[in-house]
This record gives sequence, C-alpha cells and structure tokens, in this order.
Amino acid sequence: GNSVTQMEGPVTLSEEAFLTINCTYTATGYPSLFWYVQYPGEGLQLLLKATKADDKGSNKGFEATYRKETTSFHLEKGSVQVSDSAVYFCALSGGNTPLVFGKGTRLSVIA
Amino acid sequence: DTAVSQTPKYLVTQMGNDKSIKCEQNLGHDTMYWYKQDSKKFLKIMFSYNNKELIINETVPNRFSPKSPDKAHLNLHINSLELGDSAVYFCASSQATPGLYTFGSGTRLTVV
Repeated sequence: GNSVTQMEGPVTLSEEAFLTINCTYTATGYPSLFWYVQYPGEGLQLLLKATKADDKGSNKGFEATYRKETTSFHLEKGSVQVSDSAVYFCALSGGNTPLVFGKGTRLSVIA
Repeated sequence: DTAVSQTPKYLVTQMGNDKSIKCEQNLGHDTMYWYKQDSKKFLKIMFSYNNKELIINETVPNRFSPKSPDKAHLNLHINSLELGDSAVYFCASSQATPGLYTFGSGTRLTVV
C-alpha cells in the first residue's frame, strides 16, 4: 500500500538557518504529494503540493520538488523564522484514496 | 465563518462512557473524513464519507460509529470509551481535487 516516511524530529534551528525535512514515499501509480503544516493548537493546513514528477511546489518561502527517480519530496526553506515553528507532515494521495501522512516532524526555531 | 468546525474542542470523560463529536463544513464539499492523531502526532484515517455514503472504513473498533445526516455533517460516536481512545480527532473535507483537504481544529479527547 501507499506509505510516507519522513525524518524524525524534533528539529531545532536558529532563526535564518536553512531547513530541510526529508520525505520519501512508496506508492503504486502516480500519486500527488503534499506538505501540510500544523501550528500549535490548530488543525492541519496545506502548505504546498505537486501533482506530477519534476513539479515544484512552493509557498511562504518553502519549496519541495517531486522526484520520481528517488521517490522523494523533501521540504526546504532558505531562512526560517520563529513563526515557522510547527509540525510538518508529508502526505500523498493516490487518486481517490484518502491522504496518507508521514509521522510528522516538529520544527522549533529559536531567535 | 469557520470552514470546518468541530465540537467540542476538548472532551474529558471517564472510561466506559459514550460520547459524540460533531463536525460541520460549509464549503459545499462532497467528501468528509475522520482522522485520529495520537500522542506522537501520527495521523491515521478512520472513516471517509462521500455524499453521506461510507466509502472508507479502516480497521477501527466497532465502538466507533460515524453518522452523516447530510453531506455537510459527519459525526463520530464512540461507545464504551477506553484509555487508548485518548487522542486528537480531526475532521476534514475535500472536493474533487485529490489531497486538497480542509481540516477542522480538532477535538482533544481525554479518557480518564
């Protein structure tokens, strides 16, 4: 079945540091890939998405590129801010199947 | 106007009790979901409804029973609550585009 593996957290960075959160997936066919973010005490929000190989999703300075050859969708940001502190979830959707999430990576950014 | 609203936000109850969590969406979406998030933040699909019809029922104890009176509502009833049911339960909805979900803010259930 479909599955997502993302790096274990927590990740603690200083403000303006570079962020990478690794995500790899296993799926049949050609899934769509997503990053969702959960701020403290809130529900998940879509951060970015990519629907086919080599697509790059981007939003709020975050980027991720759909790499079919390595089955990866790593999240990056060049300069993190304190307000980026949250839990980040990589997820995939295989057509009509519900979203399958990775285990989440908690990011803490300190000033 | 909250797009996906869940009530209550917090629920503390004793083992053995029966409780319900309500979810409503005003987005006109056809599909609604219940996810369970455990203490380690892992999210697992429980149920999915499309236009009031159950389409996904993952391996969830029979004590959990979803009900969708109309496509804007998906409620979750839990019988004989157990300590292991303590978690945050998220409702979500989506329309045609796969994977684009709108989530509620969650219901934190604590069973004591």
